[in-house]
Amino acid sequence: SYVLTQPPSVSVAPGQTARITCGGNNIGYKSVHWYQQKPGQAPVLVVSDDSDRPSGIPERLSGTNSENTATLTISRVEAGDEADYYCQVWDSISDCLVFGGGTKLTVL
Amino acid sequence: QLQLRESGPGLVKPSETLSLTCTVSGGSISTSSYYWGWIRQTPGKGLEWIGSINYSGSTYYNPSLKSRVTISVDTSKNHFSLNLSSLTAADTAVFYCARRTGLLSFDYWGQGTLVTVSS
Repeated sequence: SYVLTQPPSVSVAPGQTARITCGGNNIGYKSVHWYQQKPGQAPVLVVSDDSDRPSGIPERLSGTNSENTATLTISRVEAGDEADYYCQVWDSISDCLVFGGGTKLTVL
Repeated sequence: QLQLRESGPGLVKPSETLSLTCTVSGGSISTSSYYWGWIRQTPGKGLEWIGSINYSGSTYYNPSLKSRVTISVDTSKNHFSLNLSSLTAADTAVFYCARRTGLLSFDYWGQGTLVTVSS
């Protein structure tokens, strides 16, 4: 089955830029979605189809996808960005919707 | 505003079958534009897709769970349901229902319901 690899944790100071990666074989050919999950809450879709932001998601969050790595970038990080972030794709070979293992973003 | 709400038992015994329902409000489940899905999250761990269904009953399941999963829809009640059989402690998780878009992302989620498998 298709595997998505995320770093378990990323730490960044307020005002800096956080980059959260999602690795997968030829992931650049897939549509990648990103979710933010705060403690005790359901995930929230923050980036769809590699780089589209749903309504209400700040422009500080952006996504890219190329070759074997998709990246969620959070600019001018705020304390409120502290959360777990998950990437997700559809794998047509295994007919399975796959999530990455998640990355905990800590704002120092 | 579309809302989804999961309902069902919080405690189930090993070897039994879990039944959960997701009630959709603020919109119709009978739209060809979307599928409706179940996702679970084990304590302290990540997300796992269980399966999805559309308004006409077309389903697709995670291959790793397919032998134990049945998802059904009742358009008259605007809800869809999950049955997961042969439960073990490893199935203890928060179960979410969500709306799946045409791009295969989930844009609306329920608040989740914790199901514990224990005797």
